[in-house]
Amino acid sequence: NAGVTQTPKFQVLKTGQSMTLQCAQDMNHEYMSWYRQDPGMGLRLIHYSVGAGITDQGEVPNGYNVSRSTTEDFPLRLLSAAPSQTSVYFCASRTGAFANTGELFFGEGSRLTVL
Amino acid sequence: EDKVVQSPLSLVVHEGDTVTLNCSYEVTNFRSLLWYKQEKKAPTFLFMLTSSGIEKKSGRLSSILDKKELSSILNITATQTGDSAIYLCAAYPVGGATNKLIFGTGTLLAVQP
Repeated sequence: NAGVTQTPKFQVLKTGQSMTLQCAQDMNHEYMSWYRQDPGMGLRLIHYSVGAGITDQGEVPNGYNVSRSTTEDFPLRLLSAAPSQTSVYFCASRTGAFANTGELFFGEGSRLTVL
Repeated sequence: EDKVVQSPLSLVVHEGDTVTLNCSYEVTNFRSLLWYKQEKKAPTFLFMLTSSGIEKKSGRLSSILDKKELSSILNITATQTGDSAIYLCAAYPVGGATNKLIFGTGTLLAVQP
């Protein structure tokens, strides 16, 4: 059971570089999302998607782009990395595009450092 | 602004102790509350609570929701070192913000042998 798979697990970038964090789920979940986790800030929602072709902004979307071309994949792009984007990133999915109950299933996280 | 607040921020106990973690929420049109345990990697689901006063249990862990007080507690009895983790509380609103599960900052629990 793969569940939610994120790659890479670790990445070091220089300021201004771009990169993509990959997320794939094999549970046929409609809803997928990206969170970042910072000390003292908890998990904050960056972007989310309720299905292929549909994305929307969360709480902290600036500096990030997403797309959802398939049900399975939801990549997160950093356009021009900044030190403030140093964080641990989690991809999460659940069944039910508009459910307000139901657990989120998380990937194992991607630790990004921007120098 | 919707928010979830957890207390204490951190806690150190000894094996065998009982602990109570607190979560309070201010969420527009609250629908449900979730608890997660986070060790080194991904948060793992513990409980989902939607009805006030009904306790959910799993082994030594239990949780209950109080909609009147806008709060929830997570109890862990006979703690073990394997319970050491960050415990996250999160709330779902209803309506336009349905998809924005709101997390608290977590309680860091350390269980010493």
